[in-house]
Amino acid sequence: EVVMTQSPATLSVSPGERATLSCRASQSIGSNLAWYQQTPGQAPRLLIHGTSTRATGIPARFSGSGSGTEFTLTIDSLRSEDSAVYYCQQYNNWPPYTFGQGTRLEIK
Amino acid sequence: EVQLLESGGGLVQPGGSLKISCAASGFTFSSYAFNWVRQAPGKGLEWVSAISPTGRSTFYADSVKGRFTVSRDNSQSMLYLQMNNLRAGDTAVYYCAREYYGSGSAFDIWGQGTMVTVSS
Repeated sequence: EVVMTQSPATLSVSPGERATLSCRASQSIGSNLAWYQQTPGQAPRLLIHGTSTRATGIPARFSGSGSGTEFTLTIDSLRSEDSAVYYCQQYNNWPPYTFGQGTRLEIK
Repeated sequence: EVQLLESGGGLVQPGGSLKISCAASGFTFSSYAFNWVRQAPGKGLEWVSAISPTGRSTFYADSVKGRFTVSRDNSQSMLYLQMNNLRAGDTAVYYCAREYYGSGSAFDIWGQGTMVTVSS
């Protein structure tokens, strides 16, 4: 099973600034990585798939990068509505699909 | 509008059974693989099960293998999860989620979830 580890657990950033979230896989997963955003009481929403491809309707402020075992989600020009928990997920070696434990992003 | 809508959650005693459903609309259901993902209260996301577009192939997390069964009815655009021998650790919101492209891809559409509580 591929273990996904996210860091940091919590990130606090001011509006208008940049947030950088990290995700590490326990073995190489190529570019088969997705990022999801989950706000309280809501279902997860796909942000990024294939490491760097934004899902439909996702603004260009959200970008993904990386390959192999190290991946990054970058959110530019932070807004209050970006406050959420962000999960990475690998879909290279499945089953099982595996998620990271999440990074909670707080907007100061 | 592309939509998934879960139903059937509720309170069940340990050892009991429950079948939850997911109704799809707004797209060609039979063209996509689907998954069940759960989230225990205050916890992260855990993949539970997957089913291929035809339903011929199914996959399970070790934690539910032998107790849960995923199925689908392409004629009705419905996805199901039969849960038997339920345990307290199965308490969670259960989401159905569509795979973006074939099997082995990201989950692009999610339902709103249905809560399953296992307690005496």
